[in-house]
Amino acid sequence: AQSVTQPDIHITVSEGASLELRCNYSYGATPYLFWYVQSPGQGLQLLLKYFSGDTLVQGIKGFEAEFKRSQSSFNLRKPSVHWSDAAEYFCAVLLRGVTGGGNKLTFGTGTQLKVEL
Amino acid sequence: NAGVTQTPKFQVLKTGQSMTLQCAQDMNHEYMSWYRQDPGMGLRLIHYSVGAGITDQGEVPNGYNVSRSTTEDFPLRLLSAAPSQTSVYFCASSRDRGSDNEQFFGPGTRLTVL
Repeated sequence: AQSVTQPDIHITVSEGASLELRCNYSYGATPYLFWYVQSPGQGLQLLLKYFSGDTLVQGIKGFEAEFKRSQSSFNLRKPSVHWSDAAEYFCAVLLRGVTGGGNKLTFGTGTQLKVEL
Repeated sequence: NAGVTQTPKFQVLKTGQSMTLQCAQDMNHEYMSWYRQDPGMGLRLIHYSVGAGITDQGEVPNGYNVSRSTTEDFPLRLLSAAPSQTSVYFCASSRDRGSDNEQFFGPGTRLTVL
């Protein structure tokens, strides 16, 4: 079955430390890939996306993600975490070339990031 | 631009009551959708619309109705609320149905059904 997996429900890092959030997908072909962030009480904000080309994509707020086809992964990274990065992060995929409802995002279950000062 | 707006922000209903969650966007987007967010389950698609007058079901449509009479508005109706519909509801929009369009999310409506 097609799925998006975020294996880490909670992650705690110290401010200034590096961060990597994992995302794996299970689809027959490479989908479009997204990372969203949700601050408490807020809607979702797009951090970055991968459609094609360079497998290392840069996003907002200093985040980057690397697409690895061989591992069906799209992990999110940040070299130095700030306290304001504490939020929930969602990986999402969207099938390419789907007709009709072509914008149906499938989300992972999310990773809650806590930043210790 | 206000982007995607949702009202109300919070709502408490009793089982069997009906209500409408409002969603509006001012970006002239053709595609709009409703998701529900439950702990440990991410966001799941309820209904979506690819343009005025056109709607279709998503992953979890039961218990919800939608209509799209204008480009701007996409209300979600609960005809007879159930405790299982306690959730946070997000509306989203994108330029059109193309897969490469960014979806913009509203701030959400937190619904509790007693």
